[in-house]
Amino acid sequence: DVVMTQSPLSLPVTLGQPASISCRSSQSLVHGDGNTYLNWFQQRPGQSPRRLFYKVSYRDSGVPDRFSGSGSGTDFTLKISRVEAEDVGVYYCMQGTNWPPWTFGQGTKVEIK
Amino acid sequence: QVQLVESGGGVVQPGRSLRLTCAASGFSLVKYAMHWVRQAPGKGLEWVACGGTNTLYADSVKGRFTLSRDNSKNTLYLQMNSLRVDDTAVYYCVRDGDDSTGYGFDQWGQGTLVTVSS
Repeated sequence: DVVMTQSPLSLPVTLGQPASISCRSSQSLVHGDGNTYLNWFQQRPGQSPRRLFYKVSYRDSGVPDRFSGSGSGTDFTLKISRVEAEDVGVYYCMQGTNWPPWTFGQGTKVEIK
Repeated sequence: QVQLVESGGGVVQPGRSLRLTCAASGFSLVKYAMHWVRQAPGKGLEWVACGGTNTLYADSVKGRFTLSRDNSKNTLYLQMNSLRVDDTAVYYCVRDGDDSTGYGFDQWGQGTLVTVSS
């Protein structure tokens, strides 16, 4: 199984400041078709997860452009350029390249300092 | 618009069974792979099962859970047998996107809570 490792697990951030979350996979997420199936999800308190990015950097509709996804191979990053209050929640990476199983990172809790 | 509505959760004793239902609207289930993902209280996300061309299960539920679908009702089911205390979680019904919507878990239901306790 592909193990997804996120860091940090807790991220206190000042409003208006940037934030960065790392996600590393135990093996390359490059699929035989050339795509990399790495997704990012946001789960606000009391809500269901919501996808932010697919295939590393393709932003979902309605996701503010202060969010960006990047990376390749086994190393990926989710960045928030300026954290806003509505960004509080837990962020998960997930791989959909080598399945089953589809595997998630442990989650990174973003909170306001 | 696309909507996934889960139901069927509740409190059940260890060893008993429960069937979860996911009613889909705004799209045809036939055209997408569908998953169940669960989240234990205060914990992270865990993939449980997938129904598409093939039906696949996490090792932790294999032999106990069965995913099925009724295309005429646009509904997905998860039959859960021999439930254990560690099956306690919110269970989400999730759509796997396609080329037009982006592959990956693009639509999530609101979840239904299953509590296994004596």
